[in-house]
Amino acid sequence: NAGVTQTPKFRILKIGQSMTLQCTQDMNHNYMYWYRQDPGMGLKLIYYSVGAGITDKGEVPNGYNVSRSTTEDFPLRLELAAPSQTSVYFCASSSQSGTRHNEQFFGPGTRLTVL
Amino acid sequence: LAKTTQPISMDSYEGQEVNITCSHNNIATNDYITWYQQFPSQGPRFIIQGYKTKVTNEVASLFIPADRKSSTLSLPRVSLSDTAVYYCLVVSGNTPLVFGKGTRLSVIA
Repeated sequence: NAGVTQTPKFRILKIGQSMTLQCTQDMNHNYMYWYRQDPGMGLKLIYYSVGAGITDKGEVPNGYNVSRSTTEDFPLRLELAAPSQTSVYFCASSSQSGTRHNEQFFGPGTRLTVL
Repeated sequence: LAKTTQPISMDSYEGQEVNITCSHNNIATNDYITWYQQFPSQGPRFIIQGYKTKVTNEVASLFIPADRKSSTLSLPRVSLSDTAVYYCLVVSGNTPLVFGKGTRLSVIA
């Protein structure tokens, strides 16, 4: 299993541009999450999904959109990029089953810079 | 979800045992205490989880007193590769995780 994969690894955007951060998991997890992490800080939840077709806002959803058309994929869309969105973005997934409660598996992250 | 409080940073020499304490005064009956580890430029990784008393795995031990208002992550004989940020979280079902700033552990040779 590849686990959680994210593309791209790095990206530089100009103010006002748009882009989609891709996230795919091959563990058949029904829960998926998007976090952002600013330097020296903990992770903040942007959006999450409890299954295909269902998404919900997290702590910092403004400026972002998500969709979940399949179990495997959970893309994050940035519209009209702003310097405040410069951050590292992590995608994660988890399953309701298993012996560990809400164990989340994280991808390697996408480092985004908005200039 | 219960808020957690843990030290911002800790330093340790190689080979020493490191104990990181976390307080979670408002933990609920159904909550579990979970610790994640994050290396630079990587996503967090689950390392240990417990409900009460003591849990041990190949990476760490987790001590939880009877009142469950605090917990201690113990890393035996740390090495340079244990340098990372350690997050203490209170987990309830499948609700989204809430990460604080964590404890930045620096292991010195």
